[in-house]
Amino acid sequence: QKEVEQDPGPLSVPEGAIVSLNCTYSNSAFQYFMWYRQYSRKGPELLMYTYSSGNKEDGRFTAQVDKSSKYISLFIRDSQPSDSATYLCAMSPGYSSASKIIFGSGTRLSIRP
Amino acid sequence: DVKVTQSSRYLVKRTGEKVFLECVQDMDHENMFWYRQDPGLGLRLIYFSYDVKMKEKGDIPEGYSVSREKKERFSLILESASTNQTSMYLCASSPIAGGSQETQYFGPGTRLLVL
Repeated sequence: QKEVEQDPGPLSVPEGAIVSLNCTYSNSAFQYFMWYRQYSRKGPELLMYTYSSGNKEDGRFTAQVDKSSKYISLFIRDSQPSDSATYLCAMSPGYSSASKIIFGSGTRLSIRP
Repeated sequence: DVKVTQSSRYLVKRTGEKVFLECVQDMDHENMFWYRQDPGLGLRLIYFSYDVKMKEKGDIPEGYSVSREKKERFSLILESASTNQTSMYLCASSPIAGGSQETQYFGPGTRLLVL
């Protein structure tokens, strides 16, 4: 079983829809949770970052962490064609100077105009 | 803004060739990482370094080596390229861990094709 599971998609939704992207994980030591966005043929870029449980909002994006269920989500409101990308969840325990970040395999998202 | 640059966007090499991939970051980060990214497999860590001249194996180090002679530069070396090393290679850097620093910043990637 992978430490981090993420549905690869592809997920296709119409412009303006609310998008929900999710990851589950098995390691209860994870404390830091991140979402990266990766456009085609580019490197991943950090989108959202949260520590421990709770919600964090940034414009149209909301990251949610439920440590009791080992489940994290990224919500995108009023989705735009420019949101079409692969979204990778990532997490780490963050207790050492070079603690490894474990990435999900990514969900491909397409927003239809 | 953190900037991580990689020496090449696309590379085509022949089986058996020695390949050098270079990565430079301009934010004085302690940690640097090399990943490969393959469809369905996500990002897999090859090697990382948390200081100059220090290196640690990641999950898939076989067939690779690394060099970190200067803080800002981290090189990935394929000693004898093979076709199964055809992949997207991503370099990343991060500041020393702690608090809100626990994130990695990625370069644009090098797409390597080994024939």
